[in-house]
Amino acid sequence: SQTIHQWPATLVQPVGSPLSLECTVEGTSNPNLYWYRQAAGRGLQLLFYSVGIGQISSEVPQNLSASRPQDRQFILSSKKLLLSDSGFYLCAWRLTGGRREQYFGPGTRLTVT
Amino acid sequence: AQSVTQLGSHVSVSEGALVLLRCNYSSSVPPYLFWYVQYPNQGLQLLLKYTTGATLVKGINGFEAEFKKSETSFHLTKPSAHMSDAAEYFCAVSDSGGYNKLIFGAGTRLAVHP
Repeated sequence: SQTIHQWPATLVQPVGSPLSLECTVEGTSNPNLYWYRQAAGRGLQLLFYSVGIGQISSEVPQNLSASRPQDRQFILSSKKLLLSDSGFYLCAWRLTGGRREQYFGPGTRLTVT
Repeated sequence: AQSVTQLGSHVSVSEGALVLLRCNYSSSVPPYLFWYVQYPNQGLQLLLKYTTGATLVKGINGFEAEFKKSETSFHLTKPSAHMSDAAEYFCAVSDSGGYNKLIFGAGTRLAVHP
């Protein structure tokens, strides 16, 4: 069966510091991968998605970036965090092919101080 | 372009009462529809999905949803609420474009009181 991991679970970082969040999927190959953010009191915002190694699409302009160095690894980064980057970050995966549902990781709670 | 509207950002029911969470969608192609549940500080869990075929879809935890094309709706129901059902619920439609992104509604927070 497939499993998705995210770490760290929680993170408190000062404004201007760098960020690296990691997501890995086990038990499947060549998944589509997604990063979402939930800000307080707001819904899900799709940040990035990837259909393969090194292939990243950005949904919204921001000071975040994403990379996919390996088939089942998806990394969210920032060089300098802003207060507005605080939120709950969720990674998700989807099987390529006909099935459309996405499966979500446990999330990372980021607080920028 | 696809979109999802969830009517009611907060719904409160008594334990044992019917749960009804409303979702309307807009799609130019036959939709794939989903309901997810999110408990505090956790990721989203897939409750159920509609792809094709039977319009009444049964999911986990006693939830079900009915796809009504004429009403462009996909409302989520449960006959009898439990305290453990208190969570946030998201309706989503699959984007018809490439990469099968999901378009989410704003979410409905369900409170269950004794």
